[in-house]
Amino acid sequence: ETGVTQTPRHLVMGMTNKKSLKCEQHLGHNAMYWYKQSAKKPLELMFVYNFKEQTENNSVPSRFSPECPNSSHLFLHLHTLQPEDSALYLCASSQEWQMNTEAFFGQGTRLTVV
Amino acid sequence: KNEVEQSPQNLTAQEGEFITINCSYSVGISALHWLQQHPGGGIVSLFMLSSGKKKHGRLIATINIQEKHSSLHITASHPRDSAVYICAVGSNYKLTFGKGTLLTVNP
Repeated sequence: ETGVTQTPRHLVMGMTNKKSLKCEQHLGHNAMYWYKQSAKKPLELMFVYNFKEQTENNSVPSRFSPECPNSSHLFLHLHTLQPEDSALYLCASSQEWQMNTEAFFGQGTRLTVV
Repeated sequence: KNEVEQSPQNLTAQEGEFITINCSYSVGISALHWLQQHPGGGIVSLFMLSSGKKKHGRLIATINIQEKHSSLHITASHPRDSAVYICAVGSNYKLTFGKGTLLTVNP
């Protein structure tokens, strides 16, 4: 248990569906992240939020829409996805938005787009 | 070419063996992270280091900043150490990840 909780753990959705992934941390961290892990590829950073403000959008298509209502919660809204978007989506948090602080990861959401 | 290269990609060992996983990177960094990912996806941070050496139980991580190289060692390996080990380097406020090393420890 890392203190970062993601729901759901598994999600199957059609290309016309709209769904949301949720991430929650009560570690008192100020930075939260969405990562994508595709088969046989390194983790890719998607979004960074620092003190609820989006500080990085790593050229992510608009069919992925993040939302950070407060420092403890992070959402990833999905709509009109493509089969190639099937991947493991990981949320992480860290005390500060600096890469010399430890990151805590959730268990991930395994997404399958059919 | 990925900025972070890990070797080997796959490693099979017998229980009790000493394990070494290597990580080389090509950018200037503020810190290097070693992560463990078990089947099912969850990732656990093992070490974060910017110089020297750290030890936690049977795990040891070292880094040589001049050579841009880090190693993760596991002493007295055990089947429960079977996982993917990922090296990640932090620079310019982002983490860049290696592809991971799949370690299988057989009893």
